[in-house]
Amino acid sequence: SQQGEEDPQALSIQEGENATMNCSYKTSINNLQWYRQNSGRGLVHLILIRSNEREKHSGRLRVTLDTSKKSSSLLITASRAADTASYFCAPLGSGNTGKLIFGQGTTLQVKP
Amino acid sequence: DGGITQSPKYLFRKEGQNVTLSCEQNLNHDAMYWYRQDPGQGLRLIYYSQIVNDFQKGDIAEGYSVSREKKESFPLTVTSAQKNPTAFYLCASSIVWGSPTTNYGYTFGSGTRLTVV
Repeated sequence: SQQGEEDPQALSIQEGENATMNCSYKTSINNLQWYRQNSGRGLVHLILIRSNEREKHSGRLRVTLDTSKKSSSLLITASRAADTASYFCAPLGSGNTGKLIFGQGTTLQVKP
Repeated sequence: DGGITQSPKYLFRKEGQNVTLSCEQNLNHDAMYWYRQDPGQGLRLIYYSQIVNDFQKGDIAEGYSVSREKKESFPLTVTSAQKNPTAFYLCASSIVWGSPTTNYGYTFGSGTRLTVV
């Protein structure tokens, strides 16, 4: 099954700084999605980038995709304490029937 | 508002007991999924369903069962055969099964925390 591997596993920054999380995967994909999970809650879909896209923005989020390196990154600019959460990437493999496999995620702590 | 409702929020199971977790969605989504999350871990797929009256095993289906008799509902039963059921269970749905062109991700419920007592 296609699974993304996030790096680093944990990240701690000060409010106002930028946070960058990386994701690597192994096979070709149709799209790659990023999700956020606040402690004890369900996941929230943040952004989806298709295999023919290289960069996508949504508010303070910027996602890049490099299919030649099989990697993606999520950048959160001007972070806030409310961004404290776990972040997961989920690649949807080519020919996949829509089933997403989630890795262990990156735990982000933003200190006020 | 449309969304996914999981109930109960907390559930306690005695040894040898079967329990059923509820998952209901009013998003008119075709596909539904059940995941298990252990502390500090990622999500592992238990079962998924593409359409009504059809479902498939995920990576850790042993000790679990599901049904999909209605589009809106995808209940998960944790049976006594599941030896380590204490975990956080998440239900999700998606608008189109397998479409590579969809711009939509999964919608998740808020989870059920199951504890064996």
